[in-house]
Amino acid sequence: DADVTQTPRNRITKTGKRIMLECSQTKGHDRMYWYRQDPGLGLQLIYYSFDVKDINKGEISDGYSVSRQAQAKFSLSLESAIPNQTALYFCATSASGRPAQYFGPGTRLTVL
Amino acid sequence: TQLLEQSPQFLSIQEGENLTVYCNSSSVFSSLQWYRQEPGEGPVLLVTVVTGGEVKKLKRLTFQFGDARKDSSLHITAAQPGDTGLYLCAGASAEYGNKLVFGAGTILRVKS
Repeated sequence: DADVTQTPRNRITKTGKRIMLECSQTKGHDRMYWYRQDPGLGLQLIYYSFDVKDINKGEISDGYSVSRQAQAKFSLSLESAIPNQTALYFCATSASGRPAQYFGPGTRLTVL
Repeated sequence: TQLLEQSPQFLSIQEGENLTVYCNSSSVFSSLQWYRQEPGEGPVLLVTVVTGGEVKKLKRLTFQFGDARKDSSLHITAAQPGDTGLYLCAGASAEYGNKLVFGAGTILRVKS
């Protein structure tokens, strides 16, 4: 079974809709991250959380919000989706003090 | 401007050829990682290097961290079609809150 899971894997929505992407992990890691991937830009950090009560903005947090419901769960919301939020979204985890990150399989989001 | 510059952006070679991918920065990193990503999947960690001048080998892959910890290279010997994918370098630095900074990636295609 996958250590980091994401739902949904694919989503098509319309401009203005609210969307939630969910991430769960069984690795027991404290730290969780949400990234966005666009062609030619690598991975850009949206939000990250170092424990259940910790939420931090990344490079591109505008238009996004997150919730860390438990150590194992970290969800990303787009309050009012817009077409330039069409991208691949990845959740990742890491252990405290360790740089290595472990990624989920990604969600392909299309905003029409 | 990317904090980590990867080159080349795209590489298409024949099976059996050797290749090197570069990751360069003007910043010093406490550690640097290489990930490989296949279509429809999340990045998978290949290696972490932490010491300036460090060389790590993983079968046909050789990773090197520059002496000044500002750059790294990935060398693949006798490339195989299974090596095809997107290769990403990522650096961690106290300057960036120990979050990972990703390069834009190198797309490698190995033709049989």
